[in-house]
Amino acid sequence: AQSVTQLGSHVSVSEGALVLLRCNYSSSVPPYLFWYVQYPNQGLQLLLKYTSAATLVKGINGFEAEFKKSETSFHLTKPSAHMSDAAEYFCAVSGYFGNEKLTFGTGTRLTIIP
Amino acid sequence: DAGITQSPRYKITETGRQVTLMCHQTWSHSYMFWYRQDLGHGLRLIYYSAAADITDKGEVPDGYVVSRSKTENFPLTLESATRSQTSVYFCASSESLGQGYYGYTFGSGTRLTVV
Repeated sequence: AQSVTQLGSHVSVSEGALVLLRCNYSSSVPPYLFWYVQYPNQGLQLLLKYTSAATLVKGINGFEAEFKKSETSFHLTKPSAHMSDAAEYFCAVSGYFGNEKLTFGTGTRLTIIP
Repeated sequence: DAGITQSPRYKITETGRQVTLMCHQTWSHSYMFWYRQDLGHGLRLIYYSAAADITDKGEVPDGYVVSRSKTENFPLTLESATRSQTSVYFCASSESLGQGYYGYTFGSGTRLTVV
């Protein structure tokens, strides 16, 4: 069974500052990990995913995440926040063998301060 | 249009009424999912389907019914709506259960209010 924990339901950063959204996972098998973004009144969009090819994964809109097995973490970062990054972000995990559904975290709402 | 569409976008219904939320995908994905999104709970899986005529319960199936007679459609029915079912409902699809190349593709959601 898999689970994810997102630390901080709300994160606020100033425009131009570093964005760091935390995700820790628990998995009984090697995991596939995902970050999704949800803009207001929209569905979720895939931001990036880790599928064991490389531990540092680059996604859309300048976001990246690093898989750290020793820390069971998959934190999302962006060097410089932009106003358009304001959204809710969800971390998700599934099993490596593809026979388990995605399990989502409870989400982190990112606010950008002008 | 290609993609996954949900209808209606907004729905207000009365307690005890039956209501059906529609989901249609044009990707020919095998898997389809229904989630509800509530503050503090994130996304919770209601039901999912591996193919036409194959459905299974998720985390919170009580009070909901699904069917999938065609690959592209996956309607969700609330047989007798309750106020606790006020939520935003998302439909999603994927070519595989857990590791589709594009992850899950989500619809834009249906905001349901039960009064």
